[in-house]
Amino acid sequence: DVKVTQSSRYLVKRTGEKVFLECVQDMDHENMFWYRQDPGLGLRLIYFSYDVKMKEKGDIPEGYSVSREKKERFSLILESASTNQTSMYLCASTLWKGVTDTQYFGPGTRLTVL
Amino acid sequence: QQPVQSPQAVILREGEDAVINCSSSKALYSVHWYRQKHGEAPVFLMILLKGGEQKGHEKISASFNEKKQQSSLYLTASQLSYSGTYFCGTGYSGAGSYQLTFGKGTKLSVIP
Repeated sequence: DVKVTQSSRYLVKRTGEKVFLECVQDMDHENMFWYRQDPGLGLRLIYFSYDVKMKEKGDIPEGYSVSREKKERFSLILESASTNQTSMYLCASTLWKGVTDTQYFGPGTRLTVL
Repeated sequence: QQPVQSPQAVILREGEDAVINCSSSKALYSVHWYRQKHGEAPVFLMILLKGGEQKGHEKISASFNEKKQQSSLYLTASQLSYSGTYFCGTGYSGAGSYQLTFGKGTKLSVIP
């Protein structure tokens, strides 16, 4: 079974702090994704990566950056956290291109920015 | 552009049927369906690729109408375990083929 893990289930940070969210998958998947999930808005793609050191912007990249130094690990970085970044963050991975392959999701990190 | 899901919410009694629709304004290459229970990660149900196919998974099946650019998820003889939020994810060919765009979700509640 594919396993996608995220570093924290719950995180509380203060406005202006730098925040790192980590995601690790154990199935040698090529593609990894970061989404945020807000009530009434569904899942929205922040960034994705289709290879080590490669990254692409999703639909809402503003205020975020990412890093993928190793194939199994994809990090989401909030350079200066703001209250409007309070959300549930979900990581996912796929072996093939996202449009034809199952997305395996991690359990999520609920981030609160005070 | 996010696909549009309807209805936003539905309440069923055990044994009743439901249909959840997902429509796109762009030509679709694929449609994915996921279910998410409260406090848990979304779980894959099925993928439909362009070609107008229909797929089934236990008592949950889906169709994909390429001409209408929409997909429908059918839940028959619903069980309590079907409760959750259902998301469709739409895939497009070309430059965006790595990513899915998810709808806002349909909250399904099955009551005894």
